[in-house]
Amino acid sequence: QKEVEQDPGPLSVPEGAIVSLNCTYSNSAFQYFMWYRQYSRKGPELLMYTYSSGNKEDGRFTAQVDKSSKYISLFIRDSQPSDSATYLCAMPRVTGTASKLTFGTGTRLQVTL
Amino acid sequence: DVKVTQSSRYLVKRTGEKVFLECVQDMDHENMFWYRQDPGLGLRLIYFSYDVKMKEKGDIPEGYSVSREKKERFSLILESASTNQTSMYLCASSSPSENTEAFFGQGTRLTVV
Repeated sequence: QKEVEQDPGPLSVPEGAIVSLNCTYSNSAFQYFMWYRQYSRKGPELLMYTYSSGNKEDGRFTAQVDKSSKYISLFIRDSQPSDSATYLCAMPRVTGTASKLTFGTGTRLQVTL
Repeated sequence: DVKVTQSSRYLVKRTGEKVFLECVQDMDHENMFWYRQDPGLGLRLIYFSYDVKMKEKGDIPEGYSVSREKKERFSLILESASTNQTSMYLCASSSPSENTEAFFGQGTRLTVV
C-alpha cells in the first residue's frame, strides 16, 4: 500500500463548478499537509499547506484535513479555466538529515468554458 | 524571484550513454532533491542531498548517482542510460524545516532511445 493515495483523474468540470480533490494517507506521523499545483510542462508550485485537522481558506481555495480518517481535501470554488492543472498532495517527513516530501500521484483537472 | 534552474528542457540520449542532468538554485538552500515523474506513479524521489558532498538514496536510486560539489549545484548522473529511464526529471530545493516549501525546476524531459 502506498503511503499517499490520490485519484489520478482526469477530472473535467465546467467553469464555475466546485471542485473537490482528495488524498488518503497511511502514515500517522505526517503532521503537515501540502497541495502543489503543476501546470503542463512546468514544475510543481506550492499552493497551500495546513497543519493539524481543520480547514484553511485562501481565496477560492480551501484545504481540509481530517487526521482521524487520514483524509485530506482541496476544494476550489468558482473554478476557472486557469485552474486547469495537475494537483498533487504532498506530506513532508523529517528524517535525521532532511525534510522529504511524499507525493500523491496527482489529479489532472480540466476546467472547460 | 527565487529560482531552480535545470540545464535542459528536453534531452534525447542513446541506450548506454552516460547522461548528466544539472540543477542550480539561487536560494542558498541546504537540501536539494531529484525526482522522476511518470504517469500514474507521481513524483518518486531518486536521491537527495542535505549538504555539500552529502547525499542519501531516495526511493528509487538504482541506475542513478548524484554529485554535489557546491551548495547551489546538484547533478544527477545516469551511468548507462536505459529505455526505462525515459521520464520527466525534476530538481527541487528547500530549507531543512518540516513545513518548508520545496521549489522545483521546470523539469527535463529525457528520452532514451
